[in-house]
Amino acid sequence: DAGITQSPRYKITETGRQVTLMCHQTWSHSYMFWYRQDLGHGLRLIYYSAAADITDKGEVPDGYVVSRSKTENFPLTLESATRSQTSVYFCASIHAPGQGAEQYFGPGTRLTVT
Amino acid sequence: AQSVTQLDSQVPVFEEAPVELRCNYSSSVSVYLFWYVQYPNQGLQLLLKYLSGSTLVKGINGFEAEFNKSQTSFHLRKPSVHISDTAEYFCAVSEGNKLIFGTGTLLAVQP
Repeated sequence: DAGITQSPRYKITETGRQVTLMCHQTWSHSYMFWYRQDLGHGLRLIYYSAAADITDKGEVPDGYVVSRSKTENFPLTLESATRSQTSVYFCASIHAPGQGAEQYFGPGTRLTVT
Repeated sequence: AQSVTQLDSQVPVFEEAPVELRCNYSSSVSVYLFWYVQYPNQGLQLLLKYLSGSTLVKGINGFEAEFNKSQTSFHLRKPSVHISDTAEYFCAVSEGNKLIFGTGTLLAVQP
């Protein structure tokens, strides 16, 4: 039972390049989320998805694009990476949607933009 | 919109001492509150959550938290910490199916 996996775990890219972070869950959870973690800011929501082909913006969506063609995958793309997007990115999912639902987190991807 | 405040960015404590990590939330309506822990180079995992009922919530690894509606607080406590408790702790409040996180508190347990 792999749960949520993220790839790559570490990535170094250059300013202006496109980069895609992958998130895969084996539970068929409907809701999935992307967060970025930065010192002094905690975790901030970038995008989330309620189901396949349904996505919505979070608190900090600028510069990011998401898609969800299959329930189990939720890739996050930085179309033109900037140094301010250097961060640790976490994917999460919810088992049973509703108030108070626990989110399950992947191990994270550490992205450095040079 | 909901918000969560963790005033202490870092809490140093000696092994076997008690600890309290503070969390205050903004909402005046019914809330669902969480504490997550993040060990170095790992994702977050749930420590405990408050949905309703008893205001004292027990979680994993000997942690507990008390929901205080009048003070809009949800402080996390452990009576005796171990070196292995060194980690970042995040308080969060539920907003629909989303979570709003605090900025985190690094618990640094020293021998």
